[in-house]
Amino acid sequence: DQQVKQNSPSLSVQEGRISILNCDYTNSMFDYFLWYKKYPAEGPTFLISISSIKDKNEDGRFTVFLNKSAKHLSLHIVPSQPGDSAVYFCAASARKGNTPLVFGKGTRLSVIA
Amino acid sequence: DVKVTQSSRYLVKRTGEKVFLECVQDMDHENMFWYRQDPGLGLRLIYFSYDVKMKEKGDIPEGYSVSREKKERFSLILESASTNQTSMYLCASSTPGTGVHEQYFGPGTRLTVT
Repeated sequence: DQQVKQNSPSLSVQEGRISILNCDYTNSMFDYFLWYKKYPAEGPTFLISISSIKDKNEDGRFTVFLNKSAKHLSLHIVPSQPGDSAVYFCAASARKGNTPLVFGKGTRLSVIA
Repeated sequence: DVKVTQSSRYLVKRTGEKVFLECVQDMDHENMFWYRQDPGLGLRLIYFSYDVKMKEKGDIPEGYSVSREKKERFSLILESASTNQTSMYLCASSTPGTGVHEQYFGPGTRLTVT
């Protein structure tokens, strides 16, 4: 039973356009969400996070939006660049209790020049 | 700068061999994790540890064991490697505490079992 779902295995976007990666979760105890980026043959690296007390967090070209009522979050990349081509993992955590992050299956983003 | 290192980037082993994957972190983190990544399956948690000599099963512990004798080191052991354990293995560490949930990952070990 997947608690964190990324329903799009892949996404292709033109350079300069917006990339929107989506993530849904089922566990209402989750209150902290993270996005990781992974290049081939490297470990995932932390990209951006959001707490459930917020609905938006921005860091440069990356913005994460959280809709708690829909149990949905999205990562926006504007403008998209070829170097953004990677696999993006959504992860969730419940802050009460020291539990591991729960990861989605990832979305492969290809930014075409 | 947090650093998580893994003993090998690439490893080729034969079916039935005992395999040790080592992970070391230098940030005095209490928590350490082992994942495997396979295409279409994402990151799947094998085992994790919240303290020295403690271990907890993750989602797919079968065929694996772990050892944590020192805080900075977390080893993954494949007692008898099989071809379905061919995968990318990722180690991660983190520190517990309010608002601190980021896990830092090592570069991964690509294991091939023939």
